[in-house]
Amino acid sequence: GDSVTQMEGPVTLSEEAFLTINCTYTATGYPSLFWYVQYPGEGLQLLLKATKADDKGSNKGFEATYRKETTSFHLEKGSVQVSDSAVYFCALSENSSASKIIFGSGTRLSIRP
Amino acid sequence: DAGITQSPRHKVTETGTPVTLRCHQTENHRYMYWYRQDPGHGLRLIHYSYGVKDTDKGEVSDGYSVSRSKTEDFLLTLESATSSQTSVYFCAIKLDITDTQYFGPGTRLTVL
Repeated sequence: GDSVTQMEGPVTLSEEAFLTINCTYTATGYPSLFWYVQYPGEGLQLLLKATKADDKGSNKGFEATYRKETTSFHLEKGSVQVSDSAVYFCALSENSSASKIIFGSGTRLSIRP
Repeated sequence: DAGITQSPRHKVTETGTPVTLRCHQTENHRYMYWYRQDPGHGLRLIHYSYGVKDTDKGEVSDGYSVSRSKTEDFLLTLESATSSQTSVYFCAIKLDITDTQYFGPGTRLTVL
């Protein structure tokens, strides 16, 4: 079945460092790909998405490109801030009317001032 | 936040007792979902609904039942709670024209 694998955390960086969180997927067909973010004590928020190969999703300085050839959707940000500290989830949406989502296990990111 | 509320937000209960969690939406979306979040597992789908009285199982449905008697409410019931059901439960909705899901604030359930 479909699955998502993302790098394990926790990841700790200094403020203004470059961020990459790796995500690869296995899927039949052509799923949509997502990054969700969960701030402490809160629910999940959609960070960005891409619906087809070579699409780039972007939001709040974060970017991810849908790479079909490497089945990847890595999350990047050029200069992180303390406020980016959160848990990040990579996910895919199955090709069905219900669009069931398969999540990765999450990566906890901590940013040092 | 797509108008999603969950109640209660926190609950502590004892093994063997029934528990019902409620998800309420204000925008008449057709699709609603229940997930559980556990460390190391991300979120896993329990059940989902695609309309009033229309539901289907997800990846981890054993020990859970759901009901949807009206569009705005999707109930998750643990008939006899077990300690393995201690978790954070999230409800989500999907807009009809996209495949993007939007999540509620979550319910933290502790089964002693």
